[in-house]
Amino acid sequence: DTGVSQDPRHKITKRGQNVTFRCDPISEHNRLYWYRQTLGQGPEFLTYFQNEAQLEKSRLLSDRFSAERPKGSFSTLEIQRTEQGDSAMYLCASSSGQGTFGTQYFGPGTRLLVL
Amino acid sequence: DAKTTQPNSMESNEEEPVHLPCNHSTISGTDYIHWYRQLPSQGPEYVIHGLTSNVNNRMASLAIAEDRKSSTLILHRATLRDAAVYYCIHSNTGNQFYFGTGTSLTVIP
Repeated sequence: DTGVSQDPRHKITKRGQNVTFRCDPISEHNRLYWYRQTLGQGPEFLTYFQNEAQLEKSRLLSDRFSAERPKGSFSTLEIQRTEQGDSAMYLCASSSGQGTFGTQYFGPGTRLLVL
Repeated sequence: DAKTTQPNSMESNEEEPVHLPCNHSTISGTDYIHWYRQLPSQGPEYVIHGLTSNVNNRMASLAIAEDRKSSTLILHRATLRDAAVYYCIHSNTGNQFYFGTGTSLTVIP
């Protein structure tokens, strides 16, 4: 068990550019979550996958955001036409969804800065 | 939203016990109570979770009120490495966690 990994750890982009982040969950975890965290705030839920199916999306997830988990393993989060307000830490978590609900294990996050 | 209420900040002396309170008055009967902590520039780290009974693990203890509307995370001997933001969450589906602003714990040497 190598834990949840995220790539890249840091990303600086210019407003209007597209960015894509990757998350590799703990192997055999069928649930995967994306959160966003701004300075001084707790993480905010964005979306959740069970295997390859995206089951929940927050109203925070505008049309510029899209997430995929094509084979039920790794996931990508894409932000199109980035805005300065998108600057945040993007966190990924995974869980097995079995036994007692629902301990989520978090990755180190991808810090995005939009100039 | 499954909201919780925690003090914004707390201080503790090193080697002393710390009791971190949380109110979760909207909790439902099937909600689990989870505690996480987050060090600067890191993702949240699982600490402990429970349903009704008090729970102990190597990191901490969780005391749950009889009506389940509040809980307390207990660190038995605070160390400098325990300085972090502590989040209390309740969830009945395990699908999405609602983090508040948490409690920022300062440990004084």
